[in-house]
Amino acid sequence: DSGVTQTPKHLITATGQRVTLRCSPRSGDLSVYWYQQSLDQGLQFLIHYYNGEERAKGNILERFSAQQFPDLHSELNLSSLELGDSALYFCASSVSGQGAAFFGQGTRLTVV
Amino acid sequence: DQQVKQNSPSLSVQEGRISILNCDYTNSMFDYFLWYKKYPAEGPTFLISISSIKDKNEDGRFTVFLNKSAKHLSLHIVPSQPGDSAVYFCAATNAGNNRKLIWGLGTSLAVNP
Repeated sequence: DSGVTQTPKHLITATGQRVTLRCSPRSGDLSVYWYQQSLDQGLQFLIHYYNGEERAKGNILERFSAQQFPDLHSELNLSSLELGDSALYFCASSVSGQGAAFFGQGTRLTVV
Repeated sequence: DQQVKQNSPSLSVQEGRISILNCDYTNSMFDYFLWYKKYPAEGPTFLISISSIKDKNEDGRFTVFLNKSAKHLSLHIVPSQPGDSAVYFCAATNAGNNRKLIWGLGTSLAVNP
């Protein structure tokens, strides 16, 4: 158990819909990262938050947004969903944004 | 443009033998490298890391070697065990990119009993 909690584990939704993925980082970790892993793809970095502030953006679509709340949990919002958004979405946390990050078990999103 | 490359999608070794997983990178600014292991339906698990000021780091059965001039690192697992069967990801980062991890596509290791 990495200490990073992601909910829900599985999500099935229709195209055009909006979903929210939630992540609770390890106790004491200020950094939260979101990644997307599609079939046959490696981990694609989406976005990094540190202590409530956005630190870095990767290949995140405009239809996607994220935030980190004062209690340090984070949410990833995916809207106007398309079939191609079906993927595993991972959240990871680290103490400072440097060194190793610890991953949650992921949310498997299926868009039908 | 894939800055971190794991050119072998899969590797199969016998239990007890050495597993060598390779990773190449193109960005000479990378100064910290990590290896993660991932089982199906689970998140990646941190294994071992190495700073660019070192050329070797060892942790139990796992050793990572870094060759900066060749922009190459490798993960050695000795002896390999069936429980090591997983996908192994190499990742790299540097202070200049805000410590964003850049990932390879992974190598699937199968350790056969």
